[in-house]
Amino acid sequence: AQSVAQPEDQVNVAEGNPLTVKCTYSVSGNPYLFWYVQYPNRGLQFLLKYITGDNLVKGSYGFEAEFNKSQTSFHLKKPSALVSDSALYFCAARRNTGFQKLVFGTGTRLLVSP
Amino acid sequence: DAGVIQSPRHEVTEMGQEVTLRCKPISGHDYLFWYRQTMMRGLELLIYFNNNVPIDDSGMPEDRFSAKMPNASFSTLKIQPSEPRDSAVYFCASSPPPGQGAYEQYFGPGTRLTVT
Repeated sequence: AQSVAQPEDQVNVAEGNPLTVKCTYSVSGNPYLFWYVQYPNRGLQFLLKYITGDNLVKGSYGFEAEFNKSQTSFHLKKPSALVSDSALYFCAARRNTGFQKLVFGTGTRLLVSP
Repeated sequence: DAGVIQSPRHEVTEMGQEVTLRCKPISGHDYLFWYRQTMMRGLELLIYFNNNVPIDDSGMPEDRFSAKMPNASFSTLKIQPSEPRDSAVYFCASSPPPGQGAYEQYFGPGTRLTVT
């Protein structure tokens, strides 16, 4: 069965510091990987994806993520955090063959302090 | 495009009443998903459609829940009768055909349901 783990319920970082939100996955075969962000009282918003090619993918709002096949990880990163980045972040994965349902992690709350 | 549209945004109803949630997917998207989000259970996939046909409803919690997609631009999720434990935020999402190379799902703003 496919699964996604986000080991941290919450990540705290000071504004201007780099941030990392961790994600590991278990998918048979090669994965498609995604990050979504959810602001209060809003739907999930797509941030970035890894489909194939370069292991470092760049997305919206200065976020990037690195696909590491050997560690089955897809950590979300940003070089300099903003207070406005404070939100709930979801990692998701699916197999890259046919159509597969997305499996979501439990979410990580990011709090950026001024 | 306006994105995925859901209505109503908030719904408060009494136990035992019928509740109908509505969704309009992004034009051209042929996959439609219904999710439920609660603090206790996180984000759960309830059902998804492809070309208006239900493909997997294994996440529907029980027979009180039903979903339809009568055409490519409209879907409903119905709860009858509603119970307090159905209180949650219900999201609709859509995605384009895989051949278009997008793969990601686009979410609506959600309907916050409160059953008293």
